[in-house]
Amino acid sequence: DIQMTQSPSSLSASVGDRVTITCQASHDISIFLNWYQQKPGEAPKLLIYAASNLETGVPSRFSGSGSGTDFTFTISSLQPDDIATYYCQHYDNVPITFGQGTRLEIK
Amino acid sequence: QVQLVESGGGVVQPGRSLRLSCAASGFTFSSYGMHWVRQAPGKGLEWVTVIWYDGSNKYYADSVKGRFTISRDNSKNTVYLQMNSLRAEDTAVYYCARDNLAAAISNLDFWGQGTLVTVSS
Repeated sequence: DIQMTQSPSSLSASVGDRVTITCQASHDISIFLNWYQQKPGEAPKLLIYAASNLETGVPSRFSGSGSGTDFTFTISSLQPDDIATYYCQHYDNVPITFGQGTRLEIK
Repeated sequence: QVQLVESGGGVVQPGRSLRLSCAASGFTFSSYGMHWVRQAPGKGLEWVTVIWYDGSNKYYADSVKGRFTISRDNSKNTVYLQMNSLRAEDTAVYYCARDNLAAAISNLDFWGQGTLVTVSS
């Protein structure tokens, strides 16, 4: 199985900060990587698909990059509404697996 | 708009069975693969299973293989998860989610609100 390692596991930042989360795959997964946002008590929401494509309706402050084994998720200017846990997920093969999540808090 | 509504969760004793349902609306259900993903209390997301648009292929996580069965009824726009021989470690919120593709795995673009399954004596 492909393991997805996210870092950091949690982070605290101020409104307006640039925030970066990384995800490393244990094997080359090309660009077969998605990013999700999960707010407390809610279902996950797709933000980025195929490593760098913004899902329809998602604000442009969210972005993704990377290929192979190393991926980055960025919020260019943190907003209060961005408080959530973020997960990466590969779909290179079965089983698909998620990273352990990054809990984002506002300072 | 796309809606996925799970039902069938509850409290069940270890070793017993439960069947979850996920009713879909707002899109052509028979054109999309469907997943179940679970989340244990306070934990991360764990993929459980996927079924192709026509039911021709199904894949499972090792943790549920041989115990859980996914199925779908395209005439009822519903996907099911039959869970047998339940264990305490199966306790979780179970989400159904739509795959963006019919017969491959890509991104899970719509999710239901989840249904809680608690396995306890």
